[in-house]
Amino acid sequence: DAGVTQSPTHLIKTRGQHVTLRCSPISGHKSVSWYQQVLGQGPQFIFQYYEKEERGRGNFPDRFSARQFPNYSSELNVNALLLGDSALYLCASSRGLAGVFYEQYFGPGTRLTVT
Amino acid sequence: DAKTTQPPSMDCAEGRAANLPCNHSTISGNEYVYWYRQIHSQGPQYIIHGLKNNETNEMASLIITEDRKSSTLILPHATLRDTAVYYCIVREARDSNYQLIWGAGTKLIIKP
Repeated sequence: DAGVTQSPTHLIKTRGQHVTLRCSPISGHKSVSWYQQVLGQGPQFIFQYYEKEERGRGNFPDRFSARQFPNYSSELNVNALLLGDSALYLCASSRGLAGVFYEQYFGPGTRLTVT
Repeated sequence: DAKTTQPPSMDCAEGRAANLPCNHSTISGNEYVYWYRQIHSQGPQYIIHGLKNNETNEMASLIITEDRKSSTLILPHATLRDTAVYYCIVREARDSNYQLIWGAGTKLIIKP
C-alpha cells in the first residue's frame, strides 16, 4: 500500500507570495494533520482535519489555512509568505482522530524555502 | 512547550543495545508516552507508545518507571540504519483538540 504522499517535494517562493501544499493520506485514513518543522527542531502542530472538518489548530497565524476534500486529501495554504516560514512541512494521516488508538503516519514532507 | 527532556545526542556501537532516556516529570495520569524517530530528510516514523506498563514490539521496547516520571526506549541490536533523531512525546489533549508536542529529540548515532 502507498504511504502518505506530499507534493511538491521542494519549493522556492519569494516573500509575500502564496503557497499551496498538497497531501494524500493512506487509503482508508480519514484524518490528516499538518506540521511545520524548522531546521534543528521537532515538528510543530498546525492543523488536524477529520471528515473534512477542522478538529485541531496549533498556534499559527491566520495566514495559514487548510482544507480537506471528500477523498480525504488535504491542502495547506500559506499567504503573505515570510522568511520565517521556510521549513519542512509534514503531513500525517490516521484512520480516525489522531490519538491513542489511531497512530499517525507521516509523509516525506515538502521543503519550502522563502527568499 | 514540550513536556519531555532528552539528551541532545548519543552514540552507540553497532550490534549493541541503544538505550535512550526521557524525563517527563510532570506527566499526568492519563497521558501516554510516545516515541517517534526521524531519519535524515524523511518524515517521522512511529515506534512505540505506552501508559504505565512496559511495552515491546518488533522495533523496540519501552520501559516506563513506576512513578511514570521517566522512560527508556531500547533498540535491542542497533544497526547503522537506526541512526536518526528520536523524539519522546507526551500526548497532550486540550479541549477536543489533539496534538503531539515535540521537543528537539535525541540524535542517535550508531557507529560501526
